[in-house]
Amino acid sequence: DGGITQSPKYLFRKEGQNVTLSCEQNLNHDAMYWYRQDPGQGLRLIYYSQIVNDFQKGDIAEGYSVSREKKESFPLTVTSAQKNPTAFYLCASSPQGAGSNQPQHFGDGTRLSIL
Amino acid sequence: AQTVTQSQPEMSVQEAETVTLSCTYDTSESDYYLFWYKQPPSRQMILVIRQEAYKQQNATENRFSVNFQKAAKSFSLKISDSQLGDAAMYFCAYRSAPSGSRLTFGEGTQLTVNP
Repeated sequence: DGGITQSPKYLFRKEGQNVTLSCEQNLNHDAMYWYRQDPGQGLRLIYYSQIVNDFQKGDIAEGYSVSREKKESFPLTVTSAQKNPTAFYLCASSPQGAGSNQPQHFGDGTRLSIL
Repeated sequence: AQTVTQSQPEMSVQEAETVTLSCTYDTSESDYYLFWYKQPPSRQMILVIRQEAYKQQNATENRFSVNFQKAAKSFSLKISDSQLGDAAMYFCAYRSAPSGSRLTFGEGTQLTVNP
């Protein structure tokens, strides 16, 4: 079955440490996205990529970095510069970029906590 | 920038009854897409229904339907014959048609279904 796989499901970060969240999709989608979800809030866009080797900042990119070396993969690194990283992180993908009415498909999420 | 507002943080409904969740948005664009996503306790994001702004006919998916009022920039979700499995957080989302694939989400409405 096609889908989006996020790993790990739970992740703990020590102070001053960088951690990387994995997102892999086998849906052959061009675009991929990372969202952050805090309690009582909606999803906020961190970064997105519409094509391999290209990505754009979302609304809350500070303290995060991404890469898109392969179509299937869009890892998110939470750097030590992100002072409040505790949140639920969701990865998504969609078939096309501008002009498409196709919905985004989501992974099951990674919960990141500070030790 | 577009904004999406869900003014009901929490709603409740009796099983088998009908409930309507509100969503308003702000945009200067004429061509866009609107979505409702459901997030049950498992935290998985599930597409419920979508609407193209150029279509006057309201979208329906089984027990789920929308009331799309383009002039009022309103996009409410009606759930008929509510079931216990409908209990979840519901998010309204906006996507520009011409300018990219990113979604802008509302803050969400937590729906409780009482037996």
